Amino acid sequence: GAGVSQSPSNKVTEKGKDVELRCDPISGHTALYWYRQSLGQGLEFLIYFQGNSAPDKSGLPSDRFSAERTGGSVSTLTIQRTQQEDSAVYLCASSLGPGSGELFFGEGSRLTVL
Amino acid sequence: AQSVTQLGSHVSVSEGALVLLRCNYSSSVPPYLFWYVQYPNQGLQLLLKYTSAATLVKGINGFEAEFNKSQTSFHLRKPSVHISDTAEYFCAVSDERQAGTNAGKSTFGDGTTLTVKP
Repeated sequence: GAGVSQSPSNKVTEKGKDVELRCDPISGHTALYWYRQSLGQGLEFLIYFQGNSAPDKSGLPSDRFSAERTGGSVSTLTIQRTQQEDSAVYLCASSLGPGSGELFFGEGSRLTVL
Repeated sequence: AQSVTQLGSHVSVSEGALVLLRCNYSSSVPPYLFWYVQYPNQGLQLLLKYTSAATLVKGINGFEAEFNKSQTSFHLRKPSVHISDTAEYFCAVSDERQAGTNAGKSTFGDGTTLTVKP
């Protein structure tokens, strides 16, 4: 597609359930990033992919969070046993690769954990 | 390590006024610097970027920013704002030149919400 696509746009779940968030980057973009945006706060870096490998997972908050990327394209962020503090907007971005400069963002997936 | 500090979480100005949004950064290597804008219920989009060319950078919608190495600043300004500029603005620094696992990761400030009043 023309831009970064994320799904679902909204997800309401119960505490303890697992959720999967999907990101489809711009075609040809080798780098993919996940950020978390909590209410009234800035963007918190979660994980970065170059191709299918994740050189930097330093931002994942706990071992309940994991992410994968297949075929150098679509990425899935999985949150297991969700907690209320996981409620946030999860933003995905892609770029042509390191050194290319700007990030192109999707519209985000808003997660609400009840 | 890199970091970004945006001074002022909320700025309110009248339509037609000059606006200045402040950003200071720290980086262990010469940085790339960005300003992004986020309109309500949308993702972020790039306003402008500095990548070591001219220190005064012009972006979309009449915005511009000046890179000041000695003050480690990258403040955003617009001479005359419009109501449609009401949004959240994020400053970001990227260590694009740094080799290794951190290459390309952007660090964002906490954002400044700009409200333009009629």
